[in-house]
Amino acid sequence: AQKITQTQPGMFVQEKEAVTLDCTYDTSDPSYGLFWYKQPSSGEMIFLIYQGSYDQQNATEGRYSLNFQKARKSANLVISASQLGDSAMYFCAMREEGYGGSQGNLIFGKGTKLSVKP
Amino acid sequence: DVKVTQSSRYLVKRTGEKVFLECVQDMDHENMFWYRQDPGLGLRLIYFSYDVKMKEKGDIPEGYSVSREKKERFSLILESASTNQTSMYLCASSFRVSEQFFGPGTRLTVL
Repeated sequence: AQKITQTQPGMFVQEKEAVTLDCTYDTSDPSYGLFWYKQPSSGEMIFLIYQGSYDQQNATEGRYSLNFQKARKSANLVISASQLGDSAMYFCAMREEGYGGSQGNLIFGKGTKLSVKP
Repeated sequence: DVKVTQSSRYLVKRTGEKVFLECVQDMDHENMFWYRQDPGLGLRLIYFSYDVKMKEKGDIPEGYSVSREKKERFSLILESASTNQTSMYLCASSFRVSEQFFGPGTRLTVL
């Protein structure tokens, strides 16, 4: 079974609008971290935001926020006020931190391609 | 700023050749990782290393080996390249359990 599921292979959003990229995860580990990365056409993976499983508040970083719903095992990325430069692949990832530990290993979803329309 | 560099952005090799992909990080990170990325499959972990001379298999180690003789350098080796190893290869490093920092990637084509 997939541990990270991104159900949207591709999405379009109008410039300046907000967009939500979906991510659900599956783990029995009580301690884990959730990450979002952006990969522009140049290929480099850029870290965007992190949410720990014990964090009480949703993570925010500038225009990025993570809508963390622990009971539903979802960690959606919200991008506010989309810009043309936001067009890229977006990957959700999880690190399981207990049970002898991943020691930093990330499990990635298959990604969502976001296209921002002018 | 953390910098992770990879020896080549693009590489073309022939079937059966031995291929070395080099990755260097400059932030004294203990952990280093090699992934391959294929369309529709996301990133899949090939090998990782927690320390010098230590290595662990990831999800898809078959056909690959690694070497970590120095902390800053992690090499991925394809002993005998095959066409199904044509892919984008991404190296990453992290300090303990912090976020991973990625290199620019190497797009390998095996003919």
